[in-house]
Amino acid sequence: GAVVSQHPSWVICKSGTSVKIECRSLDFQATTMFWYRQFPKQSLMLMATSNEGSKATYEQGVEKDKFLINHASLTLSTLTVTSAHPEDSSFYICSAREGATGKDTEAFFGQGTRLTVV
Amino acid sequence: AQSVTQLDSQVPVFEEAPVELRCNYSSSVSVYLFWYVQYPNQGLQLLLKYLSGSTLVKGINGFEAEFNKSQTSFHLRKPSVHISDTAEYFCAVTQGWSGNTPLVFGKGTRLSVIA
Repeated sequence: GAVVSQHPSWVICKSGTSVKIECRSLDFQATTMFWYRQFPKQSLMLMATSNEGSKATYEQGVEKDKFLINHASLTLSTLTVTSAHPEDSSFYICSAREGATGKDTEAFFGQGTRLTVV
Repeated sequence: AQSVTQLDSQVPVFEEAPVELRCNYSSSVSVYLFWYVQYPNQGLQLLLKYLSGSTLVKGINGFEAEFNKSQTSFHLRKPSVHISDTAEYFCAVTQGWSGNTPLVFGKGTRLSVIA
């Protein structure tokens, strides 16, 4: 199946700094990618939908100025956590679907990024 | 709007015993259903999916699920579990065929296989 690569897999940063997480579709083009956040022992909560060449669509309650999303190409979306605080510590997962042409509805997931803010 | 309910947050089961993880969904339109498995600190791996056709879907690692439209359920089953099946399992739904519709996840069920 298709591969979505997410980097880094884990990162520790100081409170107040910014962290960038990359999500790449390695063997297909993804006009849309999704960013999820997962708290310990909980489900994946959709944060935003990343659209290539346009602004991301954020879910209610997600601060768009804090979680900056850029989808500059058909294979790369980035999530930047700005001015990180300990409460931003979480597991972030990106996803992309290869279904733009109706070929397949399967969603492929990155390996996830464990962010710890100290 | 769609939603997914996984009725059991934790399911302990002895090795080689059968297991069923329950999932119910709500949607006003036709849906596509998925089961994913997540191992600690990893992303999600697709176990199986229902798009159309036969309501009994077979996936990887010996898992299968049955789509029941009248009961709006998509329960996951395995006739004999292994220690390596210990993981978090997520049921998900989407109603969009195109690539710009996200999946909506249930809260997950932690399957613990006991030796």
